[in-house]
Amino acid sequence: AQSVTQPDIHITVSEGASLELRCNYSYGATPYLFWYVQSPGQGLQLLLKYFSGDTLVQGIKGFEAEFKRSQSSFNLRKPSVHWSDAAEYFCAVTPIYNQGGKLIFGQGTELSVKP
Amino acid sequence: EPEVTQTPSHQVTQMGQEVILRCVPISNHLYFYWYRQILGQKVEFLVSFYNNEISEKSEIFDDQFSVERPDGSNFTLKIRSTKLEDSAMYFCASKANTNEQFFGPGTRLTVL
Repeated sequence: AQSVTQPDIHITVSEGASLELRCNYSYGATPYLFWYVQSPGQGLQLLLKYFSGDTLVQGIKGFEAEFKRSQSSFNLRKPSVHWSDAAEYFCAVTPIYNQGGKLIFGQGTELSVKP
Repeated sequence: EPEVTQTPSHQVTQMGQEVILRCVPISNHLYFYWYRQILGQKVEFLVSFYNNEISEKSEIFDDQFSVERPDGSNFTLKIRSTKLEDSAMYFCASKANTNEQFFGPGTRLTVL
């Protein structure tokens, strides 16, 4: 079955530490890949996206993600976390041949940042 | 910067009542979506809308749900007879001819 998996429900890191949030997908063909962030009471903001080409993509707020076809993964990273990064992070995919372009989301990873 | 807006931010209703959630997508966008997020769960696709018709809907989007673009700016989601399990955050999104969807801030629906 087609799915998006975020194995970590909740992660806590210290401010200034590095961060990696995991995302795996299960699709027949490589879909379009996205990371969204949701701050409390807010909507979803796009951090970055991968469609094709360079497998390391840069996003906003200092985030980057690496697409690994062999592992069906699209992990999100940040070298130094700031307290304002505390939020919920969602990995999402759009199947390439889906005309309507619906997004399929993972369960989300809640990030807490310790001072 | 253009953004997707949604009203109301919070809607409380009694079970069995009809509700209409409103969205104003970004003006030059062509594709429109509704998603929902039950508290503590993931964001789920409900429906996509293009060229004045539904292009895809999920299993959640049953006969109790409908969408409409009544004029050139609004995009609405109607739930005819709300159930307790319809309580969720409902997000509207829109996109142009790219693959990037822009989300509104959401409407929190509480069914009592």
